[in-house]
Formats: sequence, C-alpha cells, structure tokens
Amino acid sequence: KAGVTQTPRYLIKTRGQQVTLSCSPISGHRSVSWYQQTPGQGLQFLFEYFSETQRNKGNFPGRFSGRQFSNSRSEMNVSTLELGDSALYLCASSGGTGGKETQYFGPGTRLLVL
Amino acid sequence: TQLLEQSPQFLSIQEGENLTVYCNSSSVFSSLQWYRQEPGEGPVLLVTVVTGGEVKKLKRLTFQFGDARKDSSLHITAAQPGDTGLYLCAGALGGSTLGRLYFGRGTQLTVWP
Repeated sequence: KAGVTQTPRYLIKTRGQQVTLSCSPISGHRSVSWYQQTPGQGLQFLFEYFSETQRNKGNFPGRFSGRQFSNSRSEMNVSTLELGDSALYLCASSGGTGGKETQYFGPGTRLLVL
Repeated sequence: TQLLEQSPQFLSIQEGENLTVYCNSSSVFSSLQWYRQEPGEGPVLLVTVVTGGEVKKLKRLTFQFGDARKDSSLHITAAQPGDTGLYLCAGALGGSTLGRLYFGRGTQLTVWP
C-alpha cells in the first residue's frame, strides 16, 4: 500500500497570505489528523476528520481550518499567515476504530512565513 | 503542560552502548506508539502497544508498556550510528479524543561511531 502523501513538500509565503495544504491518506483509511511541529512546542494536534466530519479539534485559532472529502483526502487552510505559523505540518491517517488505532504519518509540508 | 513527559531530552552515546528512553504520564492510555523521525521528514512508526505490561521487541529495540498503561520505555541494545534520530512517544486516550495523539517532546539520540 502506498503511504500517506502530502503536497506541497515546501512552501514559502509572506505574512497576511493564506495557504492550503493537501493530504492523501493510506487507501482505506477514513481518519485524517493534522499536527503542527515546531522546535519550541513539539507536535501539537490541530484537528481530526473522520468520514468528512471534524471529530476533534486542538487549541489553535480559527485561522486554522480543514476539511475532508468523500475520498478521505483532506486539506487544511491557514488564513492571514503569521511569522509564528512557520512549522512542519504533518498529516496522519488511521484505519482503526475504538481509540487504539495506529496513526501513520506523511512526510510533512515545511511552511516558511516571511 | 505536556500530557506525556519524555526523558531524557538529549542523549549522546558511543556505538555499542545501551540506552533507555522513558515516557511517563498520570493519564491512562488506550494505546501508546513510538516513532522515530529524521530531520525534515514525518515520524515513522516503530511500534504500537495496547496491553498493560506488554513487551515488544524489534531487533535491538525493546518496548514496554507499564502495567497501569500510564508509562512506557524504549530500550536500545548495542546502539549503532543508524539509530540516530528523534524518538517520540505518543499516546491515545480514546473516548471523546478519538483521532488525537498526545506527544512527548521527544528524545534526540546521537550515536557516534
């Protein structure tokens, strides 16, 4: 099976712009989670989608949003970019249920905000 | 505050030495996962443990889940330079937090030849 793919791998934006990141989960996986990774904070949970519905959300401002399509592919959007949004954005997919599912990560999108 | 406290934060050792990384919490997890991450890449799954007291071995790596499912450890025997990387533990609480993993801050391991 192909792994989790994320596009683009690298992005450079300026403050105030918006950005959309894409994630394709492992075939058959219905859950997609998004995380932000920075040197200072480590991996922080953004949100999770299951069958096109947001099931959980972390403590990030409303500028961070996401969605999931019927084929389980997911996108996250960040509006009005700030310098502090520079980070590695990771997407993970999971195929299990019941809270014991294993998450498999993609390679990430490195976002640099200037 | 981190739900999972991981220690040590940095580990620098010589090839052939043994090491242990710890992951502790006051919360009970339904499962716990260990990942290894290289710079600029996503975390790669090493193991998932789900049963209290469970021990899993992956070649020179031994993973243990505490009896109460609140802590875990990763032991590497005879470390090699190829083991260098960031090791992350992550726990799932289940219930209303389905789909969310809580991560430790990571242990940056460097193995010198």
